[in-house]
This record gives sequence, structure tokens and C-alpha cells, in this order.
Amino acid sequence: GEDVEQSLFLSVREGDSSVINCTYTDSSSTYLYWYKQEPGAGLQLLTYIFSNMDMKQDQRLTVLLNKKDKHLSLRIADTQTGDSAIYFCAETLDFLISSGSARQLTFGSGTQLTVLP
Amino acid sequence: GAVVSQHPSWVICKSGTSVKIECRSLDFQATTMFWYRQFPKQSLMLMATSNEGSKATYEQGVEKDKFLINHASLTLSTLTVTSAHPEDSSFYICSARDFRDPAGSPLHFGNGTRLTVT
Repeated sequence: GEDVEQSLFLSVREGDSSVINCTYTDSSSTYLYWYKQEPGAGLQLLTYIFSNMDMKQDQRLTVLLNKKDKHLSLRIADTQTGDSAIYFCAETLDFLISSGSARQLTFGSGTQLTVLP
Repeated sequence: GAVVSQHPSWVICKSGTSVKIECRSLDFQATTMFWYRQFPKQSLMLMATSNEGSKATYEQGVEKDKFLINHASLTLSTLTVTSAHPEDSSFYICSARDFRDPAGSPLHFGNGTRLTVT
């Protein structure tokens, strides 16, 4: 079955870069996602990457994908206190149902990012 | 952008009662919605896949008679926690995909419902 692993905690100083790592096991994953969850709230999509890409950059966010090692990372440049949250990586499993295709996500455990002033 | 509205956001109920949680896609149609459960400081666990007009598909270990799912329309899925017990206290989150979205498009998540059973 699929398994997605992340380290549980990361602390950085405001203004530094944060790098959150994730490993996954399902080699058939086609898309990988990063979600942010603030306390008591739902999930906010940050970015996602297709498996044939090595890198994707979106403003302060950079996603790196090493498909050979099944390793995904999220780099946040110039980390701010508002970036403090739990960050989940997730891989997809597409499957067919009668009305078309559907998508499940398998989530990692989440990384608690704490930004220190 | 696509919005998923989940209601209520927080509910406290007495043990033995039932609680219904609604998940609505506000500006898109979703043939499939997913229900997740999240324990404190833990990841999201997929409970079931809700398919419009048909029975939900439950993950292993999830009691279908305990967690009733109804996906009666393309914009609404409901999760009913029946005869709730304190161990059912958790954060429940739904997600949906716009059926028009191309492959790979991310799911849209509701803001979650915090259930506390006393």
C-alpha cells in the first residue's frame, strides 16, 4: 500500500528558509501536493507537482521532486511567522468509478513548522 | 476559486445522540467527495469515498453503520455519526473534486468540523 512519511517538527528563524521533506512509496503516483493547515482549520492547497517535473517554483515556494528516490521537498523562502502551521504532503491515487475517475489522497503525518522571531 | 462549505464548524453533543455534518460544493459539481478524520496532532485518515447516487465506499476499519454517508446530489454529501461516543470526538474534513477538472487537479477541502462528544 501507499505510505507517505514526513518529519514531525521543524523550527526556523524568521527570514530564514524552511525545507520540509517528504518520502513516498507508490511509484505510480502522478501528482504530489503540499497542503497547509492552520490550527482548527481545514487544508489549504499550497502547490502541486506532476511526476514528470523536477521542480516547480511559485513565489516563495519551491517544490523539488526526486522521482528516483521518491523524495519530495517544499522550500519556503524568507519564512514569516504567518507560515507557522502544519504542512502535509500527499500523493494521489486515481481510480475509476462509474461516473468517471476519482482521486484519493494519501497524506503524510504532517510537519509542524514553527517560525521563531 | 472552487469553494467547499462544511457545516457545522463545531458541534458538541451528548453521548448516544447522532450528528449530521454537511459538505457542499458551492460553485461546482462533485460526483465524488471524500470524508477524512483527523485526530489531534495526527494526519488525515480517509474514512470513505462518497459517490453521487450510489453507496459510499468505506475504508477498512470504518464502520458503515456508524458513519452514514449520503451523497444525494452533485453538490451535497452528508456524514452522520450515529450514536456518538466520546471516542468519536475528532476533526472531520470533507473534500471534493470538480468533475470538469482535468486529471491531476487538486481536491478542494472544507474547513472541517470539530466534533466533541460529552
